[in-house]
Amino acid sequence: DTEVTQTPKHLVMGMTNKKSLKCEQHMGHRAMYWYKQKAKKPPELMFVYSYEKLSINESVPSRFSPECPNSSLLNLHLHALQPEDSALYLCASSPTWQGRYEQYFGPGTRLTVT
Amino acid sequence: GENVEQHPSTLSVQEGDSAVIKCTYSDSASNYFPWYKQELGKRPQLIIDIRSNVGEKKDQRIAVTLNKTAKHFSLHITETQPEDSAVYFCAASANQAGTALIFGKGTTLSVSS
Repeated sequence: DTEVTQTPKHLVMGMTNKKSLKCEQHMGHRAMYWYKQKAKKPPELMFVYSYEKLSINESVPSRFSPECPNSSLLNLHLHALQPEDSALYLCASSPTWQGRYEQYFGPGTRLTVT
Repeated sequence: GENVEQHPSTLSVQEGDSAVIKCTYSDSASNYFPWYKQELGKRPQLIIDIRSNVGEKKDQRIAVTLNKTAKHFSLHITETQPEDSAVYFCAASANQAGTALIFGKGTTLSVSS
């Protein structure tokens, strides 16, 4: 299984809602990532988990809260988002957090904040 | 930190022509250079990558060249087809623990038939 899965595919939420994005991989990868992507722009790194520990938080607002329950799962909890947070949220994984390994991307969650 | 510049931002070619996208990087420690293709509404997918111990790598119609001295690498697509139309991102990273993948800004390739 060489796939990263994400749910939901689409999410519409109001600014007062709380929702969660989920990501799963069964490739035995020990590094998992959250990226935010706007249309026709490159993915922007948000968080990196290495061996289930948060290793990078790229100055992301606290309304985004990551969680790594185990080595196969990654969640992104959303609360009190702003319309400018509307974007494609991509999860990725790699064997370890070392630059020479390919990152496998999930299909993404298209988030719209109203 | 690393900075990756990508050119051109848009590229239009006729079916059957070749397409070349160029990237430059700033950090001499970078030694892994992947290229991702992203079709509209889909995930980025790795199409080819190259490591610093080789100067060129080819996979059917796609090739990547690397010039470490000049710090630039290029994607070459031959015999382009309409299904090659997508946004292409180059990236660079160093072979060190805790190194992030740094992306270029992307090239929108349009292949017309």
